[in-house]
Amino acid sequence: DGGITQSPKYLFRKEGQNVTLSCEQNLNHDAMYWYRQDPGQGLRLIYYSQIVNDFQKGDIAEGYSVSREKKESFPLTVTSAQKNPTAFYLCASSLGHNPATNEKLFFGSGTQLSVL
Amino acid sequence: QKEVEQDPGPLSVPEGAIVSLNCTYSNSAFQYFMWYRQYSRKGPELLMYTYSSGNKEDGRFTAQVDKSSKYISLFIRDSQPSDSATYLCAMSAGSGYSTLTFGKGTMLLVSP
Repeated sequence: DGGITQSPKYLFRKEGQNVTLSCEQNLNHDAMYWYRQDPGQGLRLIYYSQIVNDFQKGDIAEGYSVSREKKESFPLTVTSAQKNPTAFYLCASSLGHNPATNEKLFFGSGTQLSVL
Repeated sequence: QKEVEQDPGPLSVPEGAIVSLNCTYSNSAFQYFMWYRQYSRKGPELLMYTYSSGNKEDGRFTAQVDKSSKYISLFIRDSQPSDSATYLCAMSAGSGYSTLTFGKGTMLLVSP
């Protein structure tokens, strides 16, 4: 089955620790995204990538880093600089190529990150 | 004024009711409009996708866009308990990758 796989489902971070959230897709989509979802806040864009080896900051990139070494993979690292990391993190992908397909996002099942 | 406004609910209805979910927006450049359904602690799934103004129907779901009023709606006919979820509106000007702006979501509860 084609889709987006996020792991782990739950993650705990100690103070001062960097943690990495995994996102893998087998949809052959060019574009991938990371969103953060807080209760009552909606989805906020952290980073996105249109193509391998290229990515752009979203609205709330501070304290996060990403890489896009393979088309299928877009891991997100939550660094110790992110002082309020507790949230539900969602990875998404889209076919890209034109506006009609850019905006149809397919989401993974999410990772809940909590601070110990 | 927030770019996209959506009532968080919860909206509680009995099974079989017609449900109306709405979003208002301020950016007149938006031309792509979407509704996503999100079950608790799951990723959102695309429910309806509309370009520009007009109506689109898919089974029990109808999406309406009124660009002159900057108002979009999602109607659910014959609502079922399985429709209980949070519904997120999203919209974009289509000027680049992931320019989607999401509403905060409306929680819908359909009781048997």
